[in-house]
Amino acid sequence: EAGVAQSPRYKIIEKRQSVAFWCNPISGHATLYWYQQILGQGPKLLIQFQNNGVVDDSQLPKDRFSAERLKGVDSTLKIQPAKLEDSAVYLCASSMTGINYGYTFGSGTRLTVV
Amino acid sequence: AQTVTQSQPEMSVQEAETVTLSCTYDTSESNYYLFWYKQPPSRQMILVIRQEAYKQQNATENRFSVNFQKAAKSFSLKISDSQLGDTAMYFCAFMRDYTGANSKLTFGKGITLSVRP
Repeated sequence: EAGVAQSPRYKIIEKRQSVAFWCNPISGHATLYWYQQILGQGPKLLIQFQNNGVVDDSQLPKDRFSAERLKGVDSTLKIQPAKLEDSAVYLCASSMTGINYGYTFGSGTRLTVV
Repeated sequence: AQTVTQSQPEMSVQEAETVTLSCTYDTSESNYYLFWYKQPPSRQMILVIRQEAYKQQNATENRFSVNFQKAAKSFSLKISDSQLGDTAMYFCAFMRDYTGANSKLTFGKGITLSVRP
């Protein structure tokens, strides 16, 4: 099966600019996650979708970050305006529901804010 | 809230030897899941091994095995017969269960493992 697709792979922007990341999960996976991985740290959940509804966005900085999952398939994560501390790898993952189904991660987008 | 601690920032091992990566965690839950993930330079997280807390038997996957000590809240990964392809960052992670918001992963800081030829 095809994996979780993410684009772009790399992005460099200046602070205060906006940026968007795209994720296409594995077909049939109802749950989609966005994680932020700052250099030297483990990934931290930003937002979790179940189909097109938000399950958990408690760690999403809502003053500058937004995310949507249209029609319960693809998802877009946006940052506006970006800050230097937003420099990180943004990982998307998807899963089916249930104990026998694990996560599948994408290769992430590396964002550098200068 | 759950926390996962990996106190070793990096380790090095000779090819074909055995290495153990340490992880401790804190939770008030009695049932949960623990994972070790590998992250090579390609950045994609790859599942190495999973342990269910209700199982006393330690999980094993080929050259990878865990030492799960529930009372001590310790979850170490042993890699036997290390190979050059094992060079990567390794993350320990915690999950409460597979439903809803409980299915989020809480990760440790990770450890960089280098396998020397």
